[in-house]
Amino acid sequence: KQEVTQIPAALSVPEGENLVLNCSFTDSAIYNLQWFRQDPGKGLTSLLLIQSSQREQTSGRLNASLDKSSGRSTLYIAASQPGDSATYLCAVRPRAGNNRKLIWGLGTSLAVNP
Amino acid sequence: DTAVSQTPKYLVTQMGNDKSIKCEQNLGHDTMYWYKQDSKKFLKIMFSYNNKELIINETVPNRFSPKSPDKAHLNLHINSLELGDSAVYFCASSPGLELEQYFGPGTRLTVT
Repeated sequence: KQEVTQIPAALSVPEGENLVLNCSFTDSAIYNLQWFRQDPGKGLTSLLLIQSSQREQTSGRLNASLDKSSGRSTLYIAASQPGDSATYLCAVRPRAGNNRKLIWGLGTSLAVNP
Repeated sequence: DTAVSQTPKYLVTQMGNDKSIKCEQNLGHDTMYWYKQDSKKFLKIMFSYNNKELIINETVPNRFSPKSPDKAHLNLHINSLELGDSAVYFCASSPGLELEQYFGPGTRLTVT
């Protein structure tokens, strides 16, 4: 059974730091992996989607990597800003199973302090 | 322009009542979803519709009934509301079943 874990659960950093958020999954047979951002009282915003054949995806200051063999993905945020404060969620789509629905982590709550 | 919209944003109601949450997407997507996010922030899929057909129906009480009048709408009707139904409900859509999902702003349901 696929399980997704995100560590740490919460992170507080000063503005300007480069930081890494971690996502690990127990079954390497995945179809893709998606990183989302959730702001308080708002919905989820898709940040990056990495297909199983890809090693990384980049969007602006964000870079997501995928290592299927070790069951890990990292979200790298460069030069963090207070506006990056949010909860970051990782979701894995298994390669097989019940309609291959997304399996979600609990998220990392990020606070970037001015 | 709002891609995925939900109404209402907040819903406070008493136990035993029946309520509906509406969802609309203007992205031209074929697939729509309902998720429940509980107090521990755990996201759990409830239903998925593809081209108006029910594809995923997780272990959800029969009191929850989704309805998709067309591809752009997926409404959630809840009968006989219980305290445990209090949560944030998110609607989402994607171009297809396994493609990138886009989420609505959520509906915070509080049952008293």
